[in-house]
Amino acid sequence: QSVLTQPPSVSGTPGQRVTISCSGSSSNIGSNTVNWYQQLPGTAPKVLIYSNNQRPSGVPDRFSGSKSGTSASLAISGLQSEDEADYYCAAWDDSLNGMVFGGGTKVTVL
Amino acid sequence: EVQLVESGGGLVQPGGSLRLSCAASGFTFSDPYMDWVRQAPGKGLEWVGRIRNKGNSYTAEYAASVQGRFTISRDDSKNSVYLQMNSLNTEDTAVYYCARAPSYYASGIIDWGQGTLVTVSS
Repeated sequence: QSVLTQPPSVSGTPGQRVTISCSGSSSNIGSNTVNWYQQLPGTAPKVLIYSNNQRPSGVPDRFSGSKSGTSASLAISGLQSEDEADYYCAAWDDSLNGMVFGGGTKVTVL
Repeated sequence: EVQLVESGGGLVQPGGSLRLSCAASGFTFSDPYMDWVRQAPGKGLEWVGRIRNKGNSYTAEYAASVQGRFTISRDDSKNSVYLQMNSLNTEDTAVYYCARAPSYYASGIIDWGQGTLVTVSS
């Protein structure tokens, strides 16, 4: 059971907009920033969004992040086949004194 | 270009020990915090621990699941971070990733290595 809660899967057709939610608590998302990671099959994770809504250079602007209270979300607009991957949210937890991850969401492009 | 290259993974028997290494390049190694994250086969990501920099006395934090068995250390002169794993059990079987995080409280991971596989089995 992960500390941060994500839906196990989301799907969409090419060009659609999909969102992935990440629910936490006051000790993690409510107090600290959220990062989002993309993990393509068979590869290491890669940062997609840091500090809630910042995109590293090279990440397409189709990816966007937001945070409100104890929840965060990742939106993918203009869904493409290469977006098929697992996505994880993460935040520092002040009570656990460590990083916590969501269980991951598998995005499928239909 | 930031590079993090893990090594030292392999097959170990339950109860055994293993030491993972991570060689870093492409940034000033002494600045950031360094983390270890693992991923069991077919499962999600699990944070293992973090070691801070010299300015923060090289303090380390660990996940409850590894506290007392795993130790993270770093050698800034060698641009390397290590994960000493003792009393291994089958639940420690995973790909272990080395990762970099900025040096401030509650910072998130921004760079990952390619991972090294640790298999605990008799």
